[in-house]
Amino acid sequence: DSGVTQTPKHLITATGQRVTLRCSPRSGDLSVYWYQQSLDQGLQFLIQYYNGEERAKGNILERFSAQQFPDLHSELNLSSLELGDSALYFCASSREGLYNSPLHFGNGTRLTVT
Amino acid sequence: GQSLEQPSEVTAVEGAIVQINCTYQTSGFYGLSWYQQHDGGAPTFLSYNALDGLEETGRFSSFLSRSDSYGYLLLQELQMKDSASYFCPGSYGGSQGNLIFGKGTKLSVKP
Repeated sequence: DSGVTQTPKHLITATGQRVTLRCSPRSGDLSVYWYQQSLDQGLQFLIQYYNGEERAKGNILERFSAQQFPDLHSELNLSSLELGDSALYFCASSREGLYNSPLHFGNGTRLTVT
Repeated sequence: GQSLEQPSEVTAVEGAIVQINCTYQTSGFYGLSWYQQHDGGAPTFLSYNALDGLEETGRFSSFLSRSDSYGYLLLQELQMKDSASYFCPGSYGGSQGNLIFGKGTKLSVKP
């Protein structure tokens, strides 16, 4: 158990809809990351937050947004969903967000857009 | 941007030794990590190399050569449970936010 909690585990929704994925980091970890994993694209970095502030941005679509709250939990909002957004979404956390801090991943949220 | 190359698939037999290679871009490079991911599971951290040389952790070892922009993960005494995907994300710019995982190497261990 990594200590990172993601909810829900599974989500099935229709195109055009909006969903929110939630992540609670390990106790004491200040940095949260979001990744998208699909079969053809591998594990893609979306965005990183550190202590409530956006730290780095990857291949995150404009339809997607995220935030980290004062209690350090994070939410990833996906809107105007398309079939291609179906993927496994992982949240990870690390102590400081520096280059030598291992990432601890949650078990992911499997999103299916129909 | 940063990129890395590793084989898409590797097959080996139980009890054998296998090496998974990884080459990376050098610009802004800080270090190389290795993660393991079983099908349907979460990636888990295996090792991190910032300096040249070999780091050993049980049956797994990770090597880095900064001059060659190259690293590898060595798995010894392979077990069936080692069948998984292995990723070698490089750290760039001092922040883990620049970890690029890519598609990884799928290792299949046969009996």
